[in-house]
Parts: sequence; C-alpha cells; structure tokens
Amino acid sequence: EPEVTQTPSHQVTQMGQEVILRCVPISNHLYFYWYRQILGQKVEFLVSFYNNEISEKSEIFDDQFSVERPDGSNFTLKIRSTKLEDSAMYFCASRTDRGRGDTEAFFGQGTRLTVV
Amino acid sequence: AQRVTQPEKLLSVFKGAPVELKCNYSYSGSPELFWYVQYSRQRLQLLLRHISRESIKGFTADLNKGETSFHLKKPFAQEEDSAMYYCALSVLKTSGSRLTFGEGTQLTVNP
Repeated sequence: EPEVTQTPSHQVTQMGQEVILRCVPISNHLYFYWYRQILGQKVEFLVSFYNNEISEKSEIFDDQFSVERPDGSNFTLKIRSTKLEDSAMYFCASRTDRGRGDTEAFFGQGTRLTVV
Repeated sequence: AQRVTQPEKLLSVFKGAPVELKCNYSYSGSPELFWYVQYSRQRLQLLLRHISRESIKGFTADLNKGETSFHLKKPFAQEEDSAMYYCALSVLKTSGSRLTFGEGTQLTVNP
C-alpha cells in the first residue's frame, strides 16, 4: 500500500540554523499539507499546497517558513532560522482530491525536530 | 473560524466495556467530521468519516448537528483499541481542505 514518507525521522539542530524537512507524498496525490504538533499540544495546520503554489497557510506559517515541490516527487518544508519554539513533530500529508468526504488525508510518520 | 474540542485527555476502560470518546465542534457552515487514530509509534490514520456512515473496527460515530457533536463509540472495547484518538473537522475549499484537530484523547483499554 502506498505511503507518505518523511525524512529524517529525527532532526536535532542549533537555534538559528536552517532545516529542511522532506516528504514524499503518494504519487497520484494532488494536495499536500504540513502540520505540526508541539509536545503535549494538538496537531496544528501549517500550510497546504496545490498546483505548485501555497493554497492556504496558518498564522504560524510566517516568513521563516517556506515550502517547495522541487522535482515533482518531494515536498519540502524549510525553516530558515530555527527557534526553540519550533521544536515539534512535523507531519506531512497528501490527498487525491479536494477534501470531499470520499477522500482522506494520508499522513507520514512524522519528523521530530529538536532545536537546542 | 472552526474549532474542535475533545474534553477528555485520558480515558481508561476495561476490556469488554463500552467506550465513548467525546468530540464537539464549532463551525457555522456544514463541516466534514473525521476520527483519526494513532497507535503507538505509528502514523496518524483515518478511522471514520461522518459522510460514509460506516463502522470500522466496531467503532461508529454519528454527527449530531443540533449538539454539534461527533462522539466516537464502541460497545465492547478491546485491548488493541488502546491508542490516541483525534477528532478533526474539514471545510471544503476549492483549493484543498485543511484539517482542524481536537486535542486528542488517549484511550487505554485494560485487560
């Protein structure tokens, strides 16, 4: 069964450094998402991406964040200058259709980002 | 703005007992409601969606628009049901639909 794959599973970085989190969505999916979950808190939406552009973003997704689909298979989340509060589990998700009830979002296993 | 509330962070029941995980939502339009489950060290996966009105692994959930609730129920809990359960809401948009999650309920089914 096809899966959304995320790498790395765990990333430790120093405050102020840039990080790139990588995702390979399911191949025929059209909509891509990043969510994050700070330890002990709820899963929060960051950004959605469709047709090679951002379709929606949350207030969390400020200028420090960017997304890219560089080669038609990977979907990346870049944090330019990490802060301690960026420490969280980051989930990538993809879906085939416009979020109607007959489609579901498939999630990756997550990347745990630790900023020290 | 949409919001999902799961009032219980932790829920513990014995095997064979009924279980109900509560979910309330706020949204002025017609949302789509989902239950996602995360077993230990595994990814989030869809358990139920209200539009399909199906039973998965013995779980059911009914959308009550009057009470704005989408509680998850199972008449006889099993140990393998122990997991984190997230209620989520989606609003259809032309450019894709994001999920708004509740805080999650950690269900433990004791032997």
